[in-house]
Amino acid sequence: QSALTQPPSASGSPGQSVTISCTGTSSDVGGYNYVSWYQQHPGKAPKLMIYEVNKRPSGVPDRFSGSKSGNTASLTVSGLQAEDEADYYCSSYAGSLIGVFGGGTKLTVL
Amino acid sequence: QVQLVESGGGVVQPGRSLRLSCAASGLTFSGYVMHWVRQAPGKGLEWVALISYDGSIKYYADSVKGRFTISRDNSKNTLYLQMNSLRAEDTAVYYCARGAPPDVWGKGTTVTVSS
Repeated sequence: QSALTQPPSASGSPGQSVTISCTGTSSDVGGYNYVSWYQQHPGKAPKLMIYEVNKRPSGVPDRFSGSKSGNTASLTVSGLQAEDEADYYCSSYAGSLIGVFGGGTKLTVL
Repeated sequence: QVQLVESGGGVVQPGRSLRLSCAASGLTFSGYVMHWVRQAPGKGLEWVALISYDGSIKYYADSVKGRFTISRDNSKNTLYLQMNSLRAEDTAVYYCARGAPPDVWGKGTTVTVSS
């Protein structure tokens, strides 16, 4: 199972919007609407932010949104806040119940 | 309150075995797919293994296939990961997680494989 491709870093100023991409193949991201996004603060467990491409679990601010086009999924964080600074990981169903993760993107709030 | 608590991590020599446990509380454990996911120091997340709600279906990452075994005891609300023939590259924080996609995660237990 090959990892999905994410940019290693992204940044934005408070109040701005930032988009993180996640590129896979037709066997994972492009083949299913089962892309998820996780937020991980240092030393903490991952937290589910988006599932099934663009759905938010209860309690996740609507500043977080997801989308997909072809083999690339995206996470957009609008109205950036200091607490959004974290690592973000995408994941996708890949034809077996075992999924595949992206390499992670470190989001810095300037 | 839904909670997953991992235990069993530690320092172990290459080639030895270790068994991780994940105790679930506040949720209907038997109704969910369960996962083990690991994170090597300074690295990203890696799926390790998955087990269906009744234990009849199991999947493993290629990197652990044949060495690790996932199991569950629904009567004890507990998930297990038996890790044999451990290698240095298995050094990581191991998380258990619930659901598909995983929406509840434990805090993790650290496994260090070193001589």
